[in-house]
Amino acid sequence: SQQGEEDPQALSIQEGENATMNCSYKTSINNLQWYRQNSGRGLVHLILIRSNEREKHSGRLRVTLDTSKKSSSLLITASRAADTASYFCATVNSYGKLTFGQGTILTVHP
Amino acid sequence: GAVVSQHPSRVICKSGTSVKIECRSLDFQATTMFWYRQFPKQSLMLMATSNEGSKATYEQGVEKDKFLINHASLTLSTLTVTSAHPEDSSFYICSATDFRDWGNQPQHFGDGTRLSIL
Repeated sequence: SQQGEEDPQALSIQEGENATMNCSYKTSINNLQWYRQNSGRGLVHLILIRSNEREKHSGRLRVTLDTSKKSSSLLITASRAADTASYFCATVNSYGKLTFGQGTILTVHP
Repeated sequence: GAVVSQHPSRVICKSGTSVKIECRSLDFQATTMFWYRQFPKQSLMLMATSNEGSKATYEQGVEKDKFLINHASLTLSTLTVTSAHPEDSSFYICSATDFRDWGNQPQHFGDGTRLSIL
């Protein structure tokens, strides 16, 4: 079963705007990861945040983790048309098992 | 960065055919490989976890006799869909990791295999 719940399910924005996606989970985690998937392709890893970390940055990406609320968010700043893709959060438990959220479909209009 | 190669990328075959999908880690030792299935516009569902040199661990509801997994080396895992039927049509994705460092490293994904059973 899918542990992660993501919202929104779909997000449509204009180029240059920021995009925020949220992820909630139910059980304890070792780390949480965000992935991107272009249509019909495999997944590309974006950021890994450990359970003892609260925030992490990578270029235009900012991820937060609140373990008390069992939630995480992914912020993409100054979005580009090329950012159009599906974004998934995935939690990793103490056995290394990855459980994916339902995903957010992001469309960035030029 | 780490590269995982999945082959073939697309398979179209008749009902009753068995199909083998390969997943190779090209520049690292993959102690553990995972096989996922993804339906259109849905998330990835873990099918099984494959550890080198041992039997795969299947998720609940996944038929082990239907989806045969072999992980004979640290760089190769295969998924064979036996006697495939139209309901087996889906997008299958593998990922690989070095379990000795799984807490600090992400999984590396192949590009997926689109399986269509006629």
